[in-house]
Amino acid sequence: DTAVSQTPKYLVTQMGNDKSIKCEQNLGHDTMYWYKQDSKKFLKIMFSYNNKELIINETVPNRFSPKSPDKAHLNLHINSLELGDSAVYFCASRHGLAGLSTDTQYFGPGTRLTVL
Amino acid sequence: AQSVAQPEDQVNVAEGNPLTVKCTYSVSGNPYLFWYVQYPNRGLQFLLKYITGDNLVKGSYGFEAEFNKSQTSFHLKKPSALVSDSALYFCAVRGGGSQGNLIFGKGTKLSVKP
Repeated sequence: DTAVSQTPKYLVTQMGNDKSIKCEQNLGHDTMYWYKQDSKKFLKIMFSYNNKELIINETVPNRFSPKSPDKAHLNLHINSLELGDSAVYFCASRHGLAGLSTDTQYFGPGTRLTVL
Repeated sequence: AQSVAQPEDQVNVAEGNPLTVKCTYSVSGNPYLFWYVQYPNRGLQFLLKYITGDNLVKGSYGFEAEFNKSQTSFHLKKPSALVSDSALYFCAVRGGGSQGNLIFGKGTKLSVKP
């Protein structure tokens, strides 16, 4: 009974390619997030998505685009991959409206992206 | 702006000894504080959180944390460390504004030796 799942777990690709990472939560949560963990293990928010409202961290390049087909899914599409995109990407979800809820965020297992 | 600081990159503890992983915070408004643990090649697992109420918060796997408003700290503690507690620990604060995302510290690597 995986609460927040991501596919694939590992992704190795060439520079310049386009790839997608999928995230699904079966918790009935209202808000979903994408975080990036760099090589130094530092975690930083990329996007939040709540009730069809997307909030983008201003430092995220526009090559990254989240897509939410429904409330339980938030996929991450990356165009023209660069070496610096190599990282672990975590999806998370939480009950309640993004700006109001103090509920716990639950994280997926992560997708390790390696760009060669 | 909301932020947390974890002053120690690594904490070394002998099995059976008490452990403390430090975290200090800087927030405008009420602090909503969290601790997560990351085992190697795994996702982040929630340990505990402070929203309001008792300053001593109990969480998973025998961990607890003490919220100290005057010292703006939220240190993670466990009375008796296990080798299996060895992992990367993150303190986080809920960000302000409309995203409500978590803002993480840089992480502290806990190493428990037998």
